[in-house]
Amino acid sequence: GAVVSQHPSRVICKSGTSVKIECRSLDFQATTMFWYRQFPKKSLMLMATSNEGSKATYEQGVEKDKFLINHASLTLSTLTVTSAHPEDSSFYICSATPGVLNTEAFFGQGTRLTVV
Amino acid sequence: AQSVTQLDSQVPVFEEAPVELRCNYSSSVSVYLFWYVQYPNQGLQLLLKYLSGSTLVESINGFEAEFNKSQTSFHLRKPSVHISDTAEYFCAVSLYSGAGSYQLTFGKGTKLSVIP
Repeated sequence: GAVVSQHPSRVICKSGTSVKIECRSLDFQATTMFWYRQFPKKSLMLMATSNEGSKATYEQGVEKDKFLINHASLTLSTLTVTSAHPEDSSFYICSATPGVLNTEAFFGQGTRLTVV
Repeated sequence: AQSVTQLDSQVPVFEEAPVELRCNYSSSVSVYLFWYVQYPNQGLQLLLKYLSGSTLVESINGFEAEFNKSQTSFHLRKPSVHISDTAEYFCAVSLYSGAGSYQLTFGKGTKLSVIP
């Protein structure tokens, strides 16, 4: 099956710094990538939809200036958490769909972000 | 808008016993249905999916789910569970987002704990 690689798997950063998370589709081109945030014992919350070559579409309540998303190529999307605070600590997961109108999404292994 | 309800947040079951994880959805249009499994600190893995055709779908590791349109349900079942099935299970519906891609909406998840 299609493989999505997410890096890093864990990151600890100081409050006020920025952290970049990468999501790569290894064996397919991903027209669309999605970024989710997962809180403890809760479901996945869609943060934004990232389309290659265009601006990301953010869900209501997600600060676009805090969570910067770049989808510069068909195999790479990045999420940058800017000026991180302890409340940004969470598990972030990306997914990618191969091609337009493809119903199946493939997920990265997730990134555990801890802001101290 | 579509939504997904997983009524049971936790399901403990003894090894080799049968299990059913319930999932109900609401949508005004036809949707695609998925079950994903998540092991600790990992991303999501597709377990099985219903797109069209036979309403009973099976996974390679013994799980099955049946799409019931009249009851808007997609319950997940396994006749005999193993310790290795201990994980979090998410039901999801996929709806065309209108931007050339499908968007997943997840239930809150059900934690399956298999007791030796």
